[in-house]
Amino acid sequence: NAGVTQTPKFRILKIGQSMTLQCTQDMNHNYMYWYRQDPGMGLKLIYYSVGAGITDKGEVPNGYNVSRSTTEDFPLRLELAAPSQTSVYFCASSTRTSGATDTQYFGPGTRLTVL
Amino acid sequence: AQSVTQLGSHVSVSEGALVLLRCNYSSSVPPYLFWYVQYPNQGLQLLLKYTSAATLVKGINGFEAEFKKSETSFHLTKPSAHMSDAAEYFCAVSLHLNAGNMLTFGGGTRLMVKP
Repeated sequence: NAGVTQTPKFRILKIGQSMTLQCTQDMNHNYMYWYRQDPGMGLKLIYYSVGAGITDKGEVPNGYNVSRSTTEDFPLRLELAAPSQTSVYFCASSTRTSGATDTQYFGPGTRLTVL
Repeated sequence: AQSVTQLGSHVSVSEGALVLLRCNYSSSVPPYLFWYVQYPNQGLQLLLKYTSAATLVKGINGFEAEFKKSETSFHLTKPSAHMSDAAEYFCAVSLHLNAGNMLTFGGGTRLMVKP
């Protein structure tokens, strides 16, 4: 099982550039999430999606956009990269069984540096 | 609002010694609590979760955690540390969104195991 896959693994951007972080899951999960992890900090939720065509903001959405056209894919877009967006980005997915106790499955992460 | 505090960003133990990683939470509703482990350059993996069925929760790799409402704690323990336990550990509390599941993470504790 591939689970949750993310590409690229590493990326260096210049200030003002844009890019899309890709996330794909093959578990037929309804829910998908994007988190960022800053050094020494826990993960913070950027955006989440409860199904194709439905997305919502998390705790730190500014500077990012998402779309969900299929169940499998949940790309994260950075339009104007800023140094504050230097972080490790994790995608996760879960299926609805009991709601708040659902287990989220994480991808390996994308390490992004903005210079 | 909910939050998680992990006391000690770094914990060092000798191989074979007791592992104790501390987690305290704040939640306005009955919490659902999780422990995740992150090995170097990998995504997060679920260790165990508290879903109110039992206060003592057993997880993978010999870890367990006890939910103590009076102390608002969910500390992670393992009787005997192994070198392979060296990793970063995150405690998280869950908030059930309209149809999703938002995790609020603590800052993480890096466990080092000395031979």
